[in-house]
Amino acid sequence: DTGVSQDPRHKITKRGQNVTFRCDPISEHNRLYWYRQTLGQGPEFLTYFQNEAQLEKSRLLSDRFSAERPKGSFSTLEIQRTEQGDSAMYLCASSLLTGGNYEQYFGPGTRLTVT
Amino acid sequence: AQSVAQPEDQVNVAEGNPLTVKCTYSVSGNPYLFWYVQYPNRGLQFLLKYITGDNLVKGSYGFEAEFNKSQTSFHLKKPSALVSDSALYFCAVRPNTNAGKSTFGDGTTLTVKP
Repeated sequence: DTGVSQDPRHKITKRGQNVTFRCDPISEHNRLYWYRQTLGQGPEFLTYFQNEAQLEKSRLLSDRFSAERPKGSFSTLEIQRTEQGDSAMYLCASSLLTGGNYEQYFGPGTRLTVT
Repeated sequence: AQSVAQPEDQVNVAEGNPLTVKCTYSVSGNPYLFWYVQYPNRGLQFLLKYITGDNLVKGSYGFEAEFNKSQTSFHLKKPSALVSDSALYFCAVRPNTNAGKSTFGDGTTLTVKP
């Protein structure tokens, strides 16, 4: 257990529905990242926050995806009008941007299946 | 654009033998390099990192990695493999700036046979 939690662990939804995932990072970590991972691939960067500010968003991320990190604590990732191609594992990670601590600590992921 | 290549999808070794999992990278400027491991039904776990200094870095579970700037490589090694080392290994790179984006390779499945 890395200390990063994600909820739910699994989500099955029908195409066209909206879904929201939550990530709770390690409490003192100021950076929070979202990745998407499909079978046979490494984690693909989606977006990241430093405290409550969203600093970068992947160009691959469509307008159907939005993420927030209110108050610089937990974060939510929402996917609107889900498509079958959104089926993947969604990973959250956090890190502490001081003292060379650039490694990321990952949560267990949320597996999304769009039917 | 930064990228990571892990040229081997699968590495098989016998228990007790040394292991190497290869990684090459491309990034603007100097890199920060990382290895992560993913056990079945578990999240990714940090193994080790190269930030600066000694090119040979040591990490968890007896693993080490050697940073080679001229070959843009960061191969993961262990002198004596254990069956419990069997897992999926990912190499990652990011530039040595405050930019937070890391790029991951597609992973190498390590299988250690008794």
